[in-house]
Formats: sequence, structure tokens, C-alpha cells
Amino acid sequence: DVKVTQSSRYLVKRTGEKVFLECVQDMDHENMFWYRQDPGLGLRLIYFSYDVKMKEKGDIPEGYSVSREKKERFSLILESASTNQTSMYLCASRFSGANVLTFGAGSRLTVL
Amino acid sequence: GENVEQHPSTLSVQEGDSAVIKCTYSDSASNYFPWYKQELGKGPQLIIDIRSNVGEKKDQRIAVTLNKTAKHFSLHITETQPEDSAVYFCAASKNNAGNMLTFGGGTRLMVKP
Repeated sequence: DVKVTQSSRYLVKRTGEKVFLECVQDMDHENMFWYRQDPGLGLRLIYFSYDVKMKEKGDIPEGYSVSREKKERFSLILESASTNQTSMYLCASRFSGANVLTFGAGSRLTVL
Repeated sequence: GENVEQHPSTLSVQEGDSAVIKCTYSDSASNYFPWYKQELGKGPQLIIDIRSNVGEKKDQRIAVTLNKTAKHFSLHITETQPEDSAVYFCAASKNNAGNMLTFGGGTRLMVKP
């Protein structure tokens, strides 16, 4: 079964800490995405990557950065976590020629 | 940019009844409209999609309709079952590749047995 795996399901961090959210896919997908999910706001795109070492800003990139050193791995980085970054973070991947996004189960981050 | 609004935010139905979720979009250039279902503790999963050259699409108990003139599309679930309980998201994009999907705010559907 194809998978997108987010290594941390629940994280609690302090304001100002550096946070890494890791995502790995085993489908050889070219494209990978990070979304943020908040009640009533749906899914908002933070960053996406077309290929290794390539990244593009989504709708809400402020306060975030990403890293894609290998095709299967896409990391979301919060350089200095703030309370307004408390949220559910969803990673997704997709073949470049397809429509369907495959999502991970999500990482729920709480920043105190 | 694109704006997608989804209603209602919560919907409670009795098992066996029908459920309808509606979305409107702002960009007339959008031409791809998927629906995702998110069960508790899981990521969203595509359940059905429609392109702008089609007015309606069905898959068993699920159907989606599209009105390009009015810029709205709807998800219809017939004969609802408890396992249909989930959060449903509509989305829209300008191209079939889905790279720039804009999602609606989500609808929490509760099917009461």
C-alpha cells in the first residue's frame, strides 16, 4: 500500500524553539506539499516542491521553510516557533502528471 | 487568487438520509474540482473529482454536480451510513495537475445510526 509517513503525530514545543516536521513517501512521487489545517479554514498550502532541491512558496509561507534533499523526503522547518503556529500539519505527494494528492496522517503541533 | 467557500460547516443526518455539501468558487478559470474525505486520525483522501467539461459524475452512492455559470459545485451522498461520518473538503484549481488546489473550509458530516 502506498504511503506518506509523517514521523511525528503529536509534538509540543516552546515558543522560540526550532521545529522540524519530517515527511517520507515511498511512491517515487516528484511533487511534495506541506499544508496547514485549521478549523473553518480548510487546508492552506505552505510550500511545495516539484523535485529534489526545488521549492515554491504556497499561500502562507511566512514563518516556515522547507528542505528537499532527497526525492522521498520533504521537511518543514519552523525556525522560531510561535503560538500562532499551533495547528495540524499535513504532508502530501503526487506524481507530476497526475491529479490525486496522497496525504499523510498529519502532525499536530502545539506551541506553548 | 481563487477563493472557495464551503457550506455547511457541520451537517448531521440520520442514517439512510441524503447529505448535500455545497461549494462556490471565485475564479472562472478553475477547471478541476476534487472532493476529499478525512476520517478521524487520518489524512484526507480523494473520493471523487469532476472537470469543467462535465456537469455531473457518479460513483455508487456519491455524486458531484458542477454549475460553471453559477460557479458552484456540490457533493451528494445518498443512503448515508455511519462510515460516511468524516470531514469533507472541496477544492478547485486552474489546471488538471492539481498543483495549486484551493480548499474549502471543510464540512463535518455526522451520520446518526
